[in-house]
Amino acid sequence: AQSVAQPEDQVNVAEGNPLTVKCTYSVSGNPYLFWYVQYPNRGLQFLLKYITGDNLVKGSYGFEAEFNKSQTSFHLKKPSALVSDSALYFCAVRWKTSYDKVIFGPGTSLSVIP
Amino acid sequence: NAGVTQTPKFQVLKTGQSMTLQCAQDMNHEYMSWYRQDPGMGLRLIHYSVGAGITDQGEVPNGYNVSRSTTEDFPLRLLSAAPSQTSVYFCASSYGGRTDNIQYFGAGTRLSVL
Repeated sequence: AQSVAQPEDQVNVAEGNPLTVKCTYSVSGNPYLFWYVQYPNRGLQFLLKYITGDNLVKGSYGFEAEFNKSQTSFHLKKPSALVSDSALYFCAVRWKTSYDKVIFGPGTSLSVIP
Repeated sequence: NAGVTQTPKFQVLKTGQSMTLQCAQDMNHEYMSWYRQDPGMGLRLIHYSVGAGITDQGEVPNGYNVSRSTTEDFPLRLLSAAPSQTSVYFCASSYGGRTDNIQYFGAGTRLSVL
């Protein structure tokens, strides 16, 4: 069965330190990979996506993500965390059958400590 | 540019009542979807539509109906509300035709069924 895992429910990091939010997936074929962020009482907002090409993808607000095909992972990273980065982060995988299919991971809550 | 608009923002229902969650988008997107968000489970797809007049079931369709008479609107109907349907509901839209298109989310409807 197709699935997306985010192995950490919660990630805590000190402001100014690098952060990593992990995502692994099990989807056949060559799916497209996305990261979305959700701030309290808001809908999800797009951060970045991987389609093809360079394994390091740059997105909004200084975030980047590294795609690893052999490990089927797509980890979200930022070199220097800000308190304002504290939010819920979702990894999503999308692929095409007869129609587009998408699965979201369970989410990882990121807390950046001043 | 309003994007994706969901109404109401909050709703309390009694078991057995019916209601309709509204979703409208002004971006001329072909794809629209309804998700529910429950703690630790990410977003789960309820129903989706690939264009006016075309809908299909997602992962958790039981107890919900949808229709798509126009490109702009995609209402979600709860036929007979149950406490298990207490959740936060998100509507999303995207351009059709490409699986790498990003999704745009509404701000959500928080539903409690007593």
